[in-house]
Amino acid sequence: KAGVTQTPRYLIKTRGQQVTLSCSPISGHRSVSWYQQTPGQGLQFLFEYFSETQRNKGNFPGRFSGRQFSNSRSEMNVSTLELGDSALYLCASSNDRGSLHFGNGTRLTVT
Amino acid sequence: AQKITQTQPGMFVQEKEAVTLDCTYDTSDPSYGLFWYKQPSSGEMIFLIYQGSYDQQNATEGRYSLNFQKARKSANLVISASQLGDSAMYFCAMREGRSGGSNYKLTFGKGTLLTVNP
Repeated sequence: KAGVTQTPRYLIKTRGQQVTLSCSPISGHRSVSWYQQTPGQGLQFLFEYFSETQRNKGNFPGRFSGRQFSNSRSEMNVSTLELGDSALYLCASSNDRGSLHFGNGTRLTVT
Repeated sequence: AQKITQTQPGMFVQEKEAVTLDCTYDTSDPSYGLFWYKQPSSGEMIFLIYQGSYDQQNATEGRYSLNFQKARKSANLVISASQLGDSAMYFCAMREGRSGGSNYKLTFGKGTLLTVNP
């Protein structure tokens, strides 16, 4: 069974630009959640989607948004990038039994 | 107050020995789940083990076991027979509320960097 797939693996953007990250969950998993990992703040929850609906949102500004498609694939968008947005962005998918499986992450560098 | 506390920033262990990584948690919700993840330098988060708050027995997965002490609110990870490939960052995490529903938000600890020496 294929795991959680995140694309791209690496991104370099400049301040003010926007970026879209993609996540394909494990087949049959309907929940997709996103996390940001930085050396200073550690792992922080961004948001979670289930059946195309955002069910949970972390404490991030409105520049961070996401969506989920009918095939459960999810995208995360960050607009007006800031230097502090440089991070590893991790996507996780889950079945209804509650365990979360993560992808390899997208490492975003903002210059 | 921190919900997940990992008091060991770094740990060293000799190959083939067992090691315990500490994790304490704080929640008032009677339903919760506890997770351990391994993160090698490559960045991927590898799921290791899960313990639900109502599970009667401690979870085990191969060389990994979770020493769940509910009254003390601790969920320590025990790795038996350490291998060089076990060298990585280890994170303890908690999900509050019952599995399913809108409870796929994890709160993570700061992590413990485990180094396995040959």
